Amino acid sequence: DARVTQTPRHKVTEMGQEVTMRCQPILGHNTVFWYRQTMMQGLELLAYFRNRAPLDDSGMPKDRFSAEMPDATLATLKIQPSEPRDSAVYFCASKLDRVGEQYFGPGTRLTVT
Amino acid sequence: GEDVEQSLFLSVREGDSSVINCTYTDSSSTYLYWYKQEPGAGLQLLTYIFSNMDMKQDQRLTVLLNKKDKHLSLRIADTQTGDSAIYFCAVQLGGADGLTFGKGTHLIIQP
Repeated sequence: DARVTQTPRHKVTEMGQEVTMRCQPILGHNTVFWYRQTMMQGLELLAYFRNRAPLDDSGMPKDRFSAEMPDATLATLKIQPSEPRDSAVYFCASKLDRVGEQYFGPGTRLTVT
Repeated sequence: GEDVEQSLFLSVREGDSSVINCTYTDSSSTYLYWYKQEPGAGLQLLTYIFSNMDMKQDQRLTVLLNKKDKHLSLRIADTQTGDSAIYFCAVQLGGADGLTFGKGTHLIIQP
């Protein structure tokens, strides 16, 4: 049963700390997305990659957020330093190429105090 | 940019049909999706439709697309308590890969 996995599922941290979230896309999927979900803004696209190359990170605050794909089976989203307004659920999603179904992981619920 | 609108709540009786509506603004939308989110869970892909289609049916789910009015709907036949969730409409624009989501419709099932 192929699915997107994310770790950790929950993270509570203090303001100013570094946070790293990890995602393993579905094997064979070459397009990987990061989304953020908040009550106020809903679901927003932060960044995405194709074949490990970043294609669009215009939705991401550049000064504190960074997204990478060290290899085809791992995507990371890092926040440094974290702020309370970063509290949200962060979802990773993947799909094959440009068309077709986009599958979401279970999310990382981040709380910054 | 693209704007996707949905009603926030829909209440239906168990056994009735549920119809969740969505409108979007960009006519270059290529793929239109419906996702389901249960409390504390991720987004489950329910179904999607290409912009060159008018209708798609998959068991209890029927998707209707009116391109002229930029209106998408999801009909759930014989609604069950397990259908209680938030349903998101999402649109992929031509030339883009990411999805633009509506705010979601909370489907409430009355016994």
